[in-house]
Amino acid sequence: DIQMTQSPSSLSASVGDRVTVTCRASQSISFYLNWYQQKSGKAPKLLIYAASTLYTGVPSRFSGSGSGTDFTLTIGSLQPEDFGTYYCQQTYSAPLTFGGGTKVEIK
Amino acid sequence: EEQLVESGGGFVQPGGSLRLSCAASGFTLRSYSMNWVRQAPGKGLEWVSYISGSSATIYYADSVKGRFTISRDNVRNSLYLQMNSLRAVDTAVYYCARGYYQSGMDSFDIWGQGTLVTVSS
Repeated sequence: DIQMTQSPSSLSASVGDRVTVTCRASQSISFYLNWYQQKSGKAPKLLIYAASTLYTGVPSRFSGSGSGTDFTLTIGSLQPEDFGTYYCQQTYSAPLTFGGGTKVEIK
Repeated sequence: EEQLVESGGGFVQPGGSLRLSCAASGFTLRSYSMNWVRQAPGKGLEWVSYISGSSATIYYADSVKGRFTISRDNVRNSLYLQMNSLRAVDTAVYYCARGYYQSGMDSFDIWGQGTLVTVSS
């Protein structure tokens, strides 16, 4: 099984800050990497698929990069509504594993 | 509006069974693969099972293999998860999620609101 490791597990940043979350796969997954945002008590929302493609309607301050085993989610200028937990997910092979999540708090 | 609505969650004793349903509206279910994902209280997301549009391909997480069965009825526009031999560790909110196939890769673009399954004596 492919293990997905996210870091950090949590972070606190100010509005306007540039925020970076990393995700590492235990083996190469090419570009089969997705990012989701989840707010407390709500279903996750797709942000980025295929490592770097922004899903419809997602603000352009979100971006993704990477390939192989190392990936990054960047929020270019953190906004108050960006609080929540962010998850990476690989869809290279079953089981389709998620990372442990990164909780983003607004200072 | 494209939407998924889960139902069937509830309280069950260890060893018991439950059948979850996921009703799709606003789109034709048979055109999409579907998944179940769960989230234990205060924990992260765990993928549970995948089914292709034609039901020809099915995958399960090792944690549920042999106990859970995914199925779909494309005429009724519905997805199901039959859960048998339930354990306390299966306690979670269960989400159904639509497969979004773009650029040769899958992601999950539409999610239901979730249904809570509690396994306890």
